[in-house]
Amino acid sequence: DAGVTQSPTHLIKTRGQQVTLRCSPKSGHDTVSWYQQALGQGPQFIFQYYEEEERQRGNFPDRFSGHQFPNYSSELNVNALLLGDSALYLCASSWAGINTEAFFGQGTRLTVV
Amino acid sequence: KQEVTQIPAALSVPEGENLVLNCSFTDSAIYNLQWFRQDPGKGLTSLLLIQSSQREQTSGRLNASLDKSSGRSTLYIAASQPGDSATYLCAVKGNTNAGKSTFGDGTTLTVKP
Repeated sequence: DAGVTQSPTHLIKTRGQQVTLRCSPKSGHDTVSWYQQALGQGPQFIFQYYEEEERQRGNFPDRFSGHQFPNYSSELNVNALLLGDSALYLCASSWAGINTEAFFGQGTRLTVV
Repeated sequence: KQEVTQIPAALSVPEGENLVLNCSFTDSAIYNLQWFRQDPGKGLTSLLLIQSSQREQTSGRLNASLDKSSGRSTLYIAASQPGDSATYLCAVKGNTNAGKSTFGDGTTLTVKP
């Protein structure tokens, strides 16, 4: 079992550009959540996908969007990048339902210059 | 709105010492609480998951307790080792936003040889 895998591991983008981050959930998991972690802080919830639909959304602007594919993998898209979008982006997968353990990937380090 | 606080922000102890990390949350209506470990620049590794109906969970040298009524959880690490040096994060999953986890900012632990 490869666990949760994210790609790429590191990325450098210029202000105003667009970026796409990818996540493959742990085998058998059907729910994917995305988090943004600024340096020295805890992860902040961006949104969650289940059955190819956005089920919940945190306090992030519409520049942040996502998608889930039939194989449960997911993408996070960020448009019109700002310097403040520089962070570690984490993907978590779990089974549907509430009382389930979340497993995280290694993250994508995004730097906006 | 759920808020999670972890105190202290940083802790340095000599090898072999037993230690306790603290996590407090403002809304006691939770479904579960999960403790994670994060090495610098890396993703999150799940350590322990406590369901809302449970009081504690144990894994090896780790023991986590949960007191919903007081909004507190503790992570006890026995016989600490230099390899335990990392940031420890707690995350609370509430019942008003199923699927969303709220994180604290973590406690950075350094175990000195």
